[in-house]
Amino acid sequence: GAGVSQSPSNKVTEKGKDVELRCDPISGHTALYWYRQRLGQGLEFLIYFQGNSAPDKSGLPSDRFSAERTGESVSTLTIQRTQQEDSAVYLCASSPSGPRKETQYFGPGTRLLVL
Amino acid sequence: DQQVKQNSPSLSVQEGRISILNCDYTNSMFDYFLWYKKYPAEGPTFLISISSIKDKNEDGRFTVFLNKSAKHLSLHIVPSQPGDSAVYFCAASDTSGTYKYIFGTGTRLKVLA
Repeated sequence: GAGVSQSPSNKVTEKGKDVELRCDPISGHTALYWYRQRLGQGLEFLIYFQGNSAPDKSGLPSDRFSAERTGESVSTLTIQRTQQEDSAVYLCASSPSGPRKETQYFGPGTRLLVL
Repeated sequence: DQQVKQNSPSLSVQEGRISILNCDYTNSMFDYFLWYKKYPAEGPTFLISISSIKDKNEDGRFTVFLNKSAKHLSLHIVPSQPGDSAVYFCAASDTSGTYKYIFGTGTRLKVLA
C-alpha cells in the first residue's frame, strides 16, 4: 500500500521567506510526527499529533515554526522568516494507534536549503 | 547535550563478515531502544528493537545487545551483505515518552563485495 509521502522533496528558499512542507500519512494512522535532521546530526523531534488531542509542540525550536493537521489526514509544517540554520531534512512519520513503539513509518523527507 | 551517541560516523566491512554498530546513551530512564536503517533519499525504516528487560533480541541476521550497566547497545549483522549498506540510527525512549524518540547521529555502514 501507499506509504508516507512528503512534498516537496526539495525546497530552496531565500532567507526571510516563509515555507510550507506537506506530509500525507498512511491512511488510518492516527499519530503523526515531524522530525528535523540537520547535517551530521540525529533526528530531532519537532511535534506530535495524536488523533484529536492537542499536539505536543515541545520540540519546535522557535515560534517561527508551526504545524497543523486536519483530523487524521494531511499535516503541514510552516516555517516563517526562514533562517540559514533552518536548512535540514524535514521528516514526517505516522503510526497506527496502539502501544507498539516501533511502528513509526517515515516519509522520504523534504530537503530544505535556505540561502 | 547528546543523550544518544553513535561515535563511529562510518564503518566498512567485507561481505560475509560481521558488522557491529555501537550506540551509547546517558539517560538511565531510557527503557526502550530501536535501530532504524536509512537508504539515501528515503526515510528511515524500523529494523529491530529491544526493551530494557532484555539484554538480547534477535531477528534473522540482526541481533541487538543491551548492556544497561554500561548504557551501551550494539547491533550485530551477520553475515553482512552489500544490501545492508546504509546509515543506521539508534534511538531511545523512556516510559514517560512513548512517542518521543531521541536519535543518535547515525553510522554509515558500507559492506564491500
